[in-house]
Amino acid sequence: TQLLEQSPQFLSIQEGENLTVYCNSSSVFSSLQWYRQEPGEGPVLLVTVVTGGEVKKLKRLTFQFGDARKDSSLHITAAQPGDTGLYLCAGRSNDYKLSFGAGTTVTVRA
Amino acid sequence: EAGVVQSPRYKIIEKKQPVAFWCNPISGHNTLYWYLQNLGQGPELLIRYENEEAVDDSQLPKDRFSAERLKGVDSTLKIQPAELGDSAVYLCASSTSSATNTGELFFGEGSRLTVL
Repeated sequence: TQLLEQSPQFLSIQEGENLTVYCNSSSVFSSLQWYRQEPGEGPVLLVTVVTGGEVKKLKRLTFQFGDARKDSSLHITAAQPGDTGLYLCAGRSNDYKLSFGAGTTVTVRA
Repeated sequence: EAGVVQSPRYKIIEKKQPVAFWCNPISGHNTLYWYLQNLGQGPELLIRYENEEAVDDSQLPKDRFSAERLKGVDSTLKIQPAELGDSAVYLCASSTSSATNTGELFFGEGSRLTVL
């Protein structure tokens, strides 16, 4: 059973469209990270959010941490084929243990 | 600076055979992790080391899996005997310290195991 639930599991969109990926849990996290993983590679950190309600922007990617620090979202504006990958959220509990969600596979068609 | 190095990248074995994976973390990183990742799923922690001490091995199936990090640098993960359900990607990651809310994990490319 995953501590973090990600939705949707799969997402396929056309280049230029927007998308949002969600990460939800019943647990409170001291911080939450988003990683992106491409086929045959290990996950790579995109962002870390720490404060409830925090919003971080990384070019066309916007990350939000829920007020209660139980959920997060990732929004991509004007998606490009290079955004294709497996997006993983990972929550860190008070004992510093990092737990990953099952991921959302995003495919951006040219 | 070199990243996390894992070997082998691919391994195909018959069930009941042993297999070993090796990981060399980023220089200076005290914390080393072994994760298991099934296709289309997120990584699941097997074991976490702080230097040479295994501080979290609660998810490691100790009847067939073992790991070591003798000198607090590189690490080996072993499976003996392997079962069909062990087919997966084994990821190694390292970080400067796990006792932080914001620490970044640096992952290797993984070792893909296929058990026939």
